[in-house]
Amino acid sequence: GQSLEQPSEVTAVEGAIVQINCTYQTSGFYGLSWYQQHDGGAPTFLSYNALDGLEETGRFSSFLSRSDSYGYLLLQELQMKDSASYFCARGGANNLFFGTGTRLTVIP
Amino acid sequence: DADVTQTPRNRITKTGKRIMLECSQTKGHDRMYWYRQDPGLGLRLIYYSFDVKDINKGEISDGYSVSRQAQAKFSLSLESAIPNQTALYFCATSDAGEFPRYFGPGTRLTVT
Repeated sequence: GQSLEQPSEVTAVEGAIVQINCTYQTSGFYGLSWYQQHDGGAPTFLSYNALDGLEETGRFSSFLSRSDSYGYLLLQELQMKDSASYFCARGGANNLFFGTGTRLTVIP
Repeated sequence: DADVTQTPRNRITKTGKRIMLECSQTKGHDRMYWYRQDPGLGLRLIYYSFDVKDINKGEISDGYSVSRQAQAKFSLSLESAIPNQTALYFCATSDAGEFPRYFGPGTRLTVT
């Protein structure tokens, strides 16, 4: 199968750190991507992990453990503008299978 | 100017009508994709194209067709629209060897 699981909603305080987890089925796995989508907007690519470990891009980091079929997106120093939906997506041979998204709400 | 553009941005059509959604890109990418998004769901792949002569079906291609008129243009057609094709449609592009990276602003389609 192609399913991915991520929490449907997360709430965090401005300035804090939040981690959004994603587990996936392993058949034909090529890598894990993360996207941000504001309401009514287009998905924006955040990161891609093909190998185990942590990738850091500014306030955002993404982690992958292939042995655990697990990854996460870490957002630091949360800002109000980070309120959005975040999707993990599993890469196959020619396709990208998206999770159903985690809606992050940042509160003051 | 936006790198990936879609027209129209919004469309309301009736059941049974044929409609076309258009996508253009200025990034020079070979790979182009059409996705649909339903409320509360992730994106699902309809069709993808790795170059002008290469068209492939995605997860949910039934009821849709595509045309890759040039490297920069990829059109999605609904031959006979039905209400359950009401959704938000996104075009995306990527460079060779990459997964979809750049998305257009989306077309909100309503079929009544």
